[in-house]
Amino acid sequence: KQEVTQIPAALSVPEGENLVLNCSFTDSAIYNLQWFRQDPGKGLTSLLLIQSSQREQTSGRLNASLDKSSGRSTLYIAASQPGDSATYLCAVNAGGTSYGKLTFGQGTILTVHP
Amino acid sequence: DAGVIQSPRHEVTEMGQEVTLRCKPISGHDYLFWYRQTMMRGLELLIYFNNNVPIDDSGMPEDRFSAKMPNASFSTLKIQPSEPRDSAVYFCASKIGMVTEAFFGQGTRLTVV
Repeated sequence: KQEVTQIPAALSVPEGENLVLNCSFTDSAIYNLQWFRQDPGKGLTSLLLIQSSQREQTSGRLNASLDKSSGRSTLYIAASQPGDSATYLCAVNAGGTSYGKLTFGQGTILTVHP
Repeated sequence: DAGVIQSPRHEVTEMGQEVTLRCKPISGHDYLFWYRQTMMRGLELLIYFNNNVPIDDSGMPEDRFSAKMPNASFSTLKIQPSEPRDSAVYFCASKIGMVTEAFFGQGTRLTVV
């Protein structure tokens, strides 16, 4: 059974700092990994999708990496801003009999203070 | 496209009542997922469909929960009878094919009193 873990559970940083969020998964037989952002009381917004054959994806100040063999992904946020404050979730798209299924981590609550 | 549309946005009901949550996926998407989110358990997959056929319903907590997808543009999640422990935010998501991006609706916040 695929298990996804996110570290840290919460992170508080001053504005302008660069930061890294971590995601690990137990079964490396994945199709891809997706990072989401969730604001309080809202739905999930897709940030980045990395296919299993890719090592990195970038969007603006966000950079996500994937090391499938070690079961790890990181989300790097450059020059953080108060508007980046949200919960960040990673989700693994498994293969095998669970094809297409997304398994989520518990999320990292990020607070960026001015 | 307007994205994944869920209704209602909020539902308050009394224990024992039937609750029906609705989802309209993005047009052309052939995968549809129902998730439940709570503080204690995070996001849990309840059931997902591919081309309107249920693929995995192992996350449905018990027989009180049922889900249908009568056509490619509509799905329902029904709870009968509802219990206070069913209180949560229920999300619907859709995507095209196995390896593309999934898109989520705004969720339905269910409170059972």
